[in-house]
Amino acid sequence: QSVLTQPPSVSAAPGQKVTISCSGSSSNIANNYVCWYQQLPGTAPKLLIYDNNKRPSGIPDRFSGSKSGTSATLGITGLQTGDEADYYCGTWDTSLSAYVFGTGTKVTVL
Amino acid sequence: QVQLVESGGGVVQPGRSLRLSCAASGFFFSSYAMHWVRQPPGKGPEWVAVISYDGINKYYSESVKGRFTISRDNSKNTLYLQMDSLRADDTAVYYCARDTGIMATMIYDWGQGTLVTVSS
Repeated sequence: QSVLTQPPSVSAAPGQKVTISCSGSSSNIANNYVCWYQQLPGTAPKLLIYDNNKRPSGIPDRFSGSKSGTSATLGITGLQTGDEADYYCGTWDTSLSAYVFGTGTKVTVL
Repeated sequence: QVQLVESGGGVVQPGRSLRLSCAASGFFFSSYAMHWVRQPPGKGPEWVAVISYDGINKYYSESVKGRFTISRDNSKNTLYLQMDSLRADDTAVYYCARDTGIMATMIYDWGQGTLVTVSS
């Protein structure tokens, strides 16, 4: 049972925008950095966002992250068919002394 | 370029043991905490364990505590996961992953994974 809650799925047409929420608590999101990962079918997860809102080199600025209190949000603009994947948030939980992942969100491009 | 290459996966019977290895290159291995993360078939990633840069501090998920042991050899740039008393629900792809700091902060880089199947 994950301590970080995400919507199971989101969808939009090509070129549109989607946002994915990640809801946690004071022991995880509120007091630690949040990351976002993209997992394409059959591949390992890949880092999209770190430090709540920073992008590693090579990640396009269509991907953005934000955090407020006990929640974080991933935004994807200019949606492309190649963005169809599962997306997970992740952060350290100080109370559990464990890294926790969100429940995952499947993005579908209509 | 960071490279993390896992090995040691395979099919094992319930109750038996298996040791996974992760060969790291492209970065100063002894400066970073390292994680193991697993992903059961059709499910999301599940964090397993983390070890500090110097091997002194270790944390485990409740599901593996007492059965799995994480360790590292900084002279060989290698991370290990000793898995004992394996159960069917340990079946998963196991990923080695690099943190951004000397102890658990954020999981940054991932290996390609090695599949562990626990079955009789």
